[in-house]
Amino acid sequence: NAGVTQTPKFQVLKTGQSMTLQCAQDMNHNSMYWYRQDPGMGLRLIYYSASEGTTDKGEVPNGYNVSRLNKREFSLRLESAAPSQTSVYFCASSENGLVYNEQFFGPGTRLTVL
Amino acid sequence: AQSVSQHNHHVILSEAASLELGCNYSYGGTVNLFWYVQYPGQHLQLLLKYFSGDPLVKGIKGFEAEFIKSKFSFNLRKPSVQWSDTAEYFCAVTLSGGGADGLTFGKGTHLIIQP
Repeated sequence: NAGVTQTPKFQVLKTGQSMTLQCAQDMNHNSMYWYRQDPGMGLRLIYYSASEGTTDKGEVPNGYNVSRLNKREFSLRLESAAPSQTSVYFCASSENGLVYNEQFFGPGTRLTVL
Repeated sequence: AQSVSQHNHHVILSEAASLELGCNYSYGGTVNLFWYVQYPGQHLQLLLKYFSGDPLVKGIKGFEAEFIKSKFSFNLRKPSVQWSDTAEYFCAVTLSGGGADGLTFGKGTHLIIQP
């Protein structure tokens, strides 16, 4: 039982390049999330998927797109990377009961955009 | 929209000192509250959570937190810290029964324990 896994762990991009961050969970959770973590800012929600087939914007969605490929996988795409997207990206999942909103986090992807 | 304030951005303590980290949220409805910890180089782990019932909740590694509804607070405490408690601590809130929208995090408190 691996929990939440993310690939890659590290990535360096040049401005304008595109890439996709992958996330998978093996806990049979319905909901999945993408956050970014910046120094002094805490974690901010980029996008989330309440259930397979649905996605919604979070606090900071600009410059990103997501795909809920199936119940297990939720990817985050940067179409044209910018230096402001240099950050650590965390994927999370939760069971999504009405009360039980505890989220489980992956190990993160450290992205640098030059 | 709800927000979370953590008052102490950096805290330095000696081993065996007592710890209290402040957390206040701004939302008048029913909330679920969490404290997460991030050890150096690692991902976030849940320390404790409050959903309902006893406002004093106990978590892992000797941590506890008290939910005071009238003060919109959920402060984290530990009677005697250890060097291994050095980490970043995040308070987070989500609406109770609000479905699957994400957590709102505070900006974090960087805790350093000196041996």
